[in-house]
Amino acid sequence: DGGITQSPKYLFRKEGQNVTLSCEQNLNHDAMYWYRQDPGQGLRLIYYSQIVNDFQKGDIAEGYSVSREKKESFPLTVTSAQKNPTAFYLCASSIGGTGELFFGEGSRLTVL
Amino acid sequence: AQSVTQPDIHITVSEGASLELRCNYSYGATPYLFWYVQSPGQGLQLLLKYFSGDTLVQGIKGFEAEFKRSQSSFNLRKPSVHWSDAAEYFCAVGATGGSYIPTFGRGTSLIVHP
Repeated sequence: DGGITQSPKYLFRKEGQNVTLSCEQNLNHDAMYWYRQDPGQGLRLIYYSQIVNDFQKGDIAEGYSVSREKKESFPLTVTSAQKNPTAFYLCASSIGGTGELFFGEGSRLTVL
Repeated sequence: AQSVTQPDIHITVSEGASLELRCNYSYGATPYLFWYVQSPGQGLQLLLKYFSGDTLVQGIKGFEAEFKRSQSSFNLRKPSVHWSDAAEYFCAVGATGGSYIPTFGRGTSLIVHP
């Protein structure tokens, strides 16, 4: 079955540590996205990539970094510079051009 | 720039009652329109989409939505709600100019009473 796989589903981190969230898709989609979701705040775009080896900042990119070395993979690193990293993170992909997104199951990051 | 408004943060209905969730958008042309559903702790799942043609769109799980250009609305409806429909619902608009970035509404939380 085609889809998007995010891992880990739950992650705990100590303050000051970087953590990387994995996102893999086998849908052959060109575009991939990372969103952050906080209670009552909807979805906020962190980074997106329309093509391999290229990505753009979204609305809340500070404290995050990404890479897109392969079409299938778009990992997100939450750095120690992110002031309030505890959140639910969603990865998505799309064929591109319409805005229709396919989402993973999400990763919940908790900073202790 | 496009925008999406979901005026209701929470909606409470009784099981078996009908449902309508409101969505208004702002965009200069006819947009691509979407409704997604999210169960707690899960990702978003596409319920239905409108690209062109018939303005009444059928989706999964018995949902439908109607595009009304004159009102800039894309309201989601279901004739009889089931307890399993309790979830967060998001309306989104994608620009027809080939933009890769959809705009999401803030979401409406549906509570279903037995």
